Amino acid sequence: GENVEQHPSTLSVQEGDSAVIKCTYSDSASNYFPWYKQELGKRPQLIIDIRSNVGEKKDQRIAVTLNKTAKHFSLHITETQPEDSAVYFCAASGGGNKLTFGTGTQLKVEL
Amino acid sequence: DVKVTQSSRYLVKRTGEKVFLECVQDMDHENMFWYRQDPGLGLRLIYFSYDVKMKEKGDIPEGYSVSREKKERFSLILESASTNQTSMYLCASSLFGLAGNGEQFFGPGTRLTVL
Repeated sequence: GENVEQHPSTLSVQEGDSAVIKCTYSDSASNYFPWYKQELGKRPQLIIDIRSNVGEKKDQRIAVTLNKTAKHFSLHITETQPEDSAVYFCAASGGGNKLTFGTGTQLKVEL
Repeated sequence: DVKVTQSSRYLVKRTGEKVFLECVQDMDHENMFWYRQDPGLGLRLIYFSYDVKMKEKGDIPEGYSVSREKKERFSLILESASTNQTSMYLCASSLFGLAGNGEQFFGPGTRLTVL
């Protein structure tokens, strides 16, 4: 089955800096890669996703890049703000919307 | 606005009890999922269902079963609860069935403690 590894497990940045979270996946048939954000005590929510026919996708301060050859994808957050503090999960799916999640990254944006 | 609700936010049960966790979605979604969330392990898929009365095992189905008698409702059953099933349980739903991938909408979670 699919295996998704996520790094780092914790990340601390200064407000205004950029943050990068990296994930690798094992199943070359995977074709859908979403990122979820979970604020403390809240449910996970989708923030951005990318499909395998696209190399990069951007939405305001958030971007995701995908390298299918290397089987890794990354989340980039620019100009970080305190409200970006949360746990971020990457995931991969080969179809049927069955997601395999990474273990999560605790991002802390310090003032 | 999609709404996914779970029957309890907190639940305390004793070892050996049968436990039912219920999830309801109101957007006519085809897919429904049950995950458990543990620190350092992320979200792990227990079971999912892409249609009424259909179910598929996820990555950690042992000790669990599910029921989907109606499209909007997906139940997770712990036949005989054990302490290692103490966890946060999250339900999710998504529009697509087996045909595609799309956003999963999560419920608020049920924190289950098994004593």
